[in-house]
Amino acid sequence: KAGVTQTPRYLIKTRGQQVTLSCSPISGHRSVSWYQQTPGQGLQFLFEYFSETQRNKGNFPGRFSGRQFSNSRSEMNVSTLELGDSALYLCASSHSRGATDTQYFGPGTRLTVL
Amino acid sequence: QKEVEQDPGPLSVPEGAIVSLNCTYSNSAFQYFMWYRQYSRKGPELLMYTYSSGNKEDGRFTAQVDKSSKYISLFIRDSQPSDSATYLCAMATGGSNYKLTFGKGTLLTVNP
Repeated sequence: KAGVTQTPRYLIKTRGQQVTLSCSPISGHRSVSWYQQTPGQGLQFLFEYFSETQRNKGNFPGRFSGRQFSNSRSEMNVSTLELGDSALYLCASSHSRGATDTQYFGPGTRLTVL
Repeated sequence: QKEVEQDPGPLSVPEGAIVSLNCTYSNSAFQYFMWYRQYSRKGPELLMYTYSSGNKEDGRFTAQVDKSSKYISLFIRDSQPSDSATYLCAMATGGSNYKLTFGKGTLLTVNP
């Protein structure tokens, strides 16, 4: 079974631009969560989507948004990029929702904001 | 105070050593405790999952949870160079609004 895939793997943007990252979950998985990983803050939860609806949200500004499509693929968007948005953005999928459902992570998208 | 504290290391040990990795937490609502391993340029992968206090063993890995002290540990026996990675503890509350809260991770290097 193919794992979680994320595209693109690397991105370089400038301040003020916007960016869209894509995540394809494992086949059959309906829950997709997004995380931001930085050396200073570690891995932080952004949001979770299940059945095309945002079910949970972390403490990030409204510039960070996402959506999920009917095939469970998900995108996240960051508008008006800031230098501090430079990070590894990880997507994780699970079969359903809940702490007992293992989350499988993709390799991440490395975003650099100049 | 952060909800989850983890010593970032780095930790360097010789091959065959016993490794102890630890996290403390402040949120008594955490019920589920996990350890993830992250190799360089890869996403985290789940190593161990425990619910409630006590020990859980899987091969060379043992996860320990002490809810009364709000302290969790991961022990690696007979460590191998292939164990070199960043180890992240993660915790979650129950219910439909659950989300994973991670420690910052400990970088482990096992030297041959």
